[in-house]
Amino acid sequence: NAGVTQTPKFRILKIGQSMTLQCAQDMNHNYMYWYRQDPGMGLKLIYYSVGAGITDKGEVPNGYNVSRSTTEDFPLRLELAAPSQTSVYFCASSYGDGTGELFFGEGSRLTVL
Amino acid sequence: DAKTTQPPSMDCAEGRAANLPCNHSTISGNEYVYWYRQIHSQGPQYIIHGLKNNETNEMASLIITEDRKSSTLILPHATLRDTAVYYCIAPPTNAGNMLTFGGGTRLMVKP
Repeated sequence: NAGVTQTPKFRILKIGQSMTLQCAQDMNHNYMYWYRQDPGMGLKLIYYSVGAGITDKGEVPNGYNVSRSTTEDFPLRLELAAPSQTSVYFCASSYGDGTGELFFGEGSRLTVL
Repeated sequence: DAKTTQPPSMDCAEGRAANLPCNHSTISGNEYVYWYRQIHSQGPQYIIHGLKNNETNEMASLIITEDRKSSTLILPHATLRDTAVYYCIAPPTNAGNMLTFGGGTRLMVKP
């Protein structure tokens, strides 16, 4: 199993550009999440999904969109990138059985200039 | 989530036990306590979780007080590779596995 795979690992955007961070998992997990982590801070939940076709907002959803057309994939789209979106983005997945064990990807480091 | 309080940083000598405390005095009776760690900007890694009883796995032990208001994560023989930020999390039971990661404890294992 590859686990949770995120691409790209690094990206530099100009203000106003758009892009999509890709996330895929091969563990047949129902739940998937997107977090962001600013330097020296904890992780903040952006969006999550409890299954294909179902998404919901987390703590900091503004400026982002997600979709979940398949169990495996959960892309995060940034529209009109702003410097405040400079962060490290982590995708995670879990069975959703209440055990609380999340499996994280290696992260995508995004810089908006 | 039940609010958790952790010291911002701790040091530990290599080979010694690292004892990381967490206060969760507002935890409800059926809320679990989870521990994760994050090594140098990698994605967080699950360590262990528990409800009432003490738990042990290949990575660590979790000691939960009888009143459940606090817990301690124990790394029995810390190595330099255990240097990381450790997060204690107590999500509500209806959180749907949505965990909130606060500041955590930055553990520095020194030779």
